[in-house]
This record gives sequence, C-alpha cells and structure tokens, in this order.
Amino acid sequence: QKEVEQDPGPLSVPEGAIVSLNCTYSNSAFQYFMWYRQYSRKGPELLMYTYSSGNKEDGRFTAQVDKSSKYISLFIRDSQPSDSATYLCAMSASGGSNYKLTFGKGTLLTVNP
Amino acid sequence: DVKVTQSSRYLVKRTGEKVFLECVQDMDHENMFWYRQDPGLGLRLIYFSYDVKMKEKGDIPEGYSVSREKKERFSLILESASTNQTSMYLCASVEGTRSEQFFGPGTRLTVL
Repeated sequence: QKEVEQDPGPLSVPEGAIVSLNCTYSNSAFQYFMWYRQYSRKGPELLMYTYSSGNKEDGRFTAQVDKSSKYISLFIRDSQPSDSATYLCAMSASGGSNYKLTFGKGTLLTVNP
Repeated sequence: DVKVTQSSRYLVKRTGEKVFLECVQDMDHENMFWYRQDPGLGLRLIYFSYDVKMKEKGDIPEGYSVSREKKERFSLILESASTNQTSMYLCASVEGTRSEQFFGPGTRLTVL
C-alpha cells in the first residue's frame, strides 16, 4: 500500500461548482498536512497548511483532516477558471527536525467557464 | 514573502555533460531540498540539506550530487547527464522548525 494515495483525475467541473479533492494515507504518524497548487510548467505553491485533525478555512478554500480515517480533503467553493491546476497533497510525521514531506501524485482540475 | 529562485527555467544539455542547477532562497531557511517531477511518478526527493555543508540522500540520489557552501544556496549537480534525467527539477526550502516547504519555479531539463 502506498503511503499517500490521491486520485489523479482529471476532474472537470463548471465554473461556480464546489470541488472536493481528497487524499488517503497509511502512516498514522503523519501530523502536518498541506495542499499545494501547481499551475502548468510552474513550481508548486503552498495553498493550505493544517496540523492534526480539524478544519481550516481560507477564503474559498477549506482543508479538512480526519486522522481517525486517515483522510484529508480540500474543498473549493465557487470554483473559477483560474483554479484550473494540479493539486498536490503533502504530509509529514512531525515538524522541525523531520524534514521530509510525502506527496500525493496530484489531481488535475479543470474549471470550465 | 519567501522567495526561492532557480538559475534557469529551461535547459538543454547533451548526454555526458556535467550539469549544474542552482537554487537560492532569501529567507534564511535551514533546510533545502531538490526534487524531480515526472508524469505519473509525482515528486521524488533527490537530496536535501539541513545546514551548510550538510547533505543527506533522498529517495533517488543515483547520478546526482549536491553542494551547499552557503546557507542561501543549494546546487544540484548531474555528473554525467543521461537521457533518463530529462525532467522537471524543483528546489524547495523550509525554516528549521516548520514543515511546509516553499518551492522555486522549477527547471525543465532536457538531455539529448
């Protein structure tokens, strides 16, 4: 079983839709969870960062972590064509001295005007 | 804002050439990373460094070496480039007490 599983998509939605992106993981030691957005031919940019379980909201974006189910989600409300990108989940076992992130392979999202 | 820059956006090299990829960050971060990203394989860690002159192998170090002589600069070296090293190379950095990494724009390397 891979440490982090992420549906590669592609996912195509109309403008204004609510988008749900998900990752599952197997390592119960993961505590820090991130979502990155990567536009075509660019580097990933950090979108959301959460610690342990719970929700975090930033504008149209909400990140959810359910450690009991080993499942994380990113919701995008009122999706826009500019949200079209690949979304990567990433996680680590601890902050500070544990440097390595484990990434999902990314979900390609297209928002159609 | 954190800024991570990479020396080239696009690079074309010949098989057997020695290739240097440079990465510079301006936030005094202790930790720096080199990844490659390939379709279907995702991001794979090549090397990382947690301090000047310190380095550790990642998941796929074969065919690569690194250098960190100054805190802000982390270089990836392909000793003898091969066609299977054609890829997108991404540099990242993070403060020593944090987890979230900040990425540069990437270098798309083609080895002919």
